[in-house]
Amino acid sequence: GQQVMQIPQYQHVQEGEDFTTYCNSSTTLSNIQWYKQRPGGHPVFLIQLVKSGEVKKQKRLTFQFGEAKKNSSLHITATQTTDVGTYFCAGDTGNQFYFGTGTSLTVIP
Amino acid sequence: ETGVTQTPRHLVMGMTNKKSLKCEQHLGHNAMYWYKQSAKKPLELMFVYSLEERVENNSVPSRFSPECPNSSHLFLHLHTLQPEDSALYLCASSQAGVRMEKLFFGSGTQLSVL
Repeated sequence: GQQVMQIPQYQHVQEGEDFTTYCNSSTTLSNIQWYKQRPGGHPVFLIQLVKSGEVKKQKRLTFQFGEAKKNSSLHITATQTTDVGTYFCAGDTGNQFYFGTGTSLTVIP
Repeated sequence: ETGVTQTPRHLVMGMTNKKSLKCEQHLGHNAMYWYKQSAKKPLELMFVYSLEERVENNSVPSRFSPECPNSSHLFLHLHTLQPEDSALYLCASSQAGVRMEKLFFGSGTQLSVL
């Protein structure tokens, strides 16, 4: 069945280091969204990517949608302690959203 | 605040109890969702209501029963749950359209079944 896989599952970085999480779908997606969930909190929408090869930036966060619209990445430059949380991708097949397994980011001060 | 309010925040229930989770959205959206979040598993879509009609039911056991009386309110009625049903239950809303719009989540109900 449809699956959206994310790697890595966990990532520990020193504050100031970069961080990347990757999302891969078994089928072509019409669009992909990214969410952040702080510890003890609920998922909060970050961004949506629609076009093949699209790249969007939000301050230190860079989001990319693959050419084949099957994969996506989120890159954080110079992490800060406020970046701590779990980052989820969610792929839209046109019929349903499939959330990825998430990448839990720990930032060590 | 996201505009989606869930109550209660925490719930402990026995396997023979009946309880209900409540969700209310103040965003004017026309679609509402129930998701289950268990440790180390992806968010699992349980039910979707669009324009107050159920459009998705992902093989959820009948011990979970949703109700959507209007576009702003969503309930999840629980009865004879199992310990493996312990999880964070998240309500979300969006503006339904041709393309999946972004989801606004509530704070969730942390459910423990004893």
